[in-house]
Amino acid sequence: AQTVTQSQPEMSVQEAETVTLSCTYDTSESDYYLFWYKQPPSRQMILVIRQEAYKQQNATENRFSVNFQKAAKSFSLKISDSQLGDAAMYFCAYVMEYGNKLVFGAGTILRVKS
Amino acid sequence: DSGVTQTPKHLITATGQRVTLRCSPRSGDLSVYWYQQSLDQGLQFLIQYYNGEERAKGNILERFSAQQFPDLHSELNLSSLELGDSALYFCASSVAGTRFVADTQYFGPGTRLTVL
Repeated sequence: AQTVTQSQPEMSVQEAETVTLSCTYDTSESDYYLFWYKQPPSRQMILVIRQEAYKQQNATENRFSVNFQKAAKSFSLKISDSQLGDAAMYFCAYVMEYGNKLVFGAGTILRVKS
Repeated sequence: DSGVTQTPKHLITATGQRVTLRCSPRSGDLSVYWYQQSLDQGLQFLIQYYNGEERAKGNILERFSAQQFPDLHSELNLSSLELGDSALYFCASSVAGTRFVADTQYFGPGTRLTVL
């Protein structure tokens, strides 16, 4: 069974600094998709970034980028120039190429200090 | 705003009761997914419907059922409610989500269920 592990229950970052959230996953599949979702205090689940396993290039979305290491089964999220609005719970998620269900990690709470 | 709507936002009920949660997917999306978020279990996949048909099942209790209607909105029915059913229930939608492709899922705002 696929599992997703986020080993950092909580992280803090100073405003305007950079922070990296870690995620590892376990799968025997070769093709799959990985996601980072953000859940602010409003509880809305917001898509941050998506990575296809067959793509070697790391995905980027403005201040958000990933470091995808397929062999190591690692998928970390880097947030540059952190803003107060980035404070949220961040979930790493996995889905098989021909799959349906998202498998989520336990989440990392990110606090941003002004 | 993801374009996925869920009603109601909050629901408070008693043990043993039955409730219905409603979800409208984004325009053009054929798949609807239901997830449960609780403190002890985290985010768990419950069930998926694609164009009116059940496509995948996760850790959904027998007391729970769902359906997707011809207009593609979906309802999640929870019956014989227990204290442990208190959770945030999310609906998500995607364009296809068939077994041939994995689409990005966009989430609704959730329904917070409290069972007293």
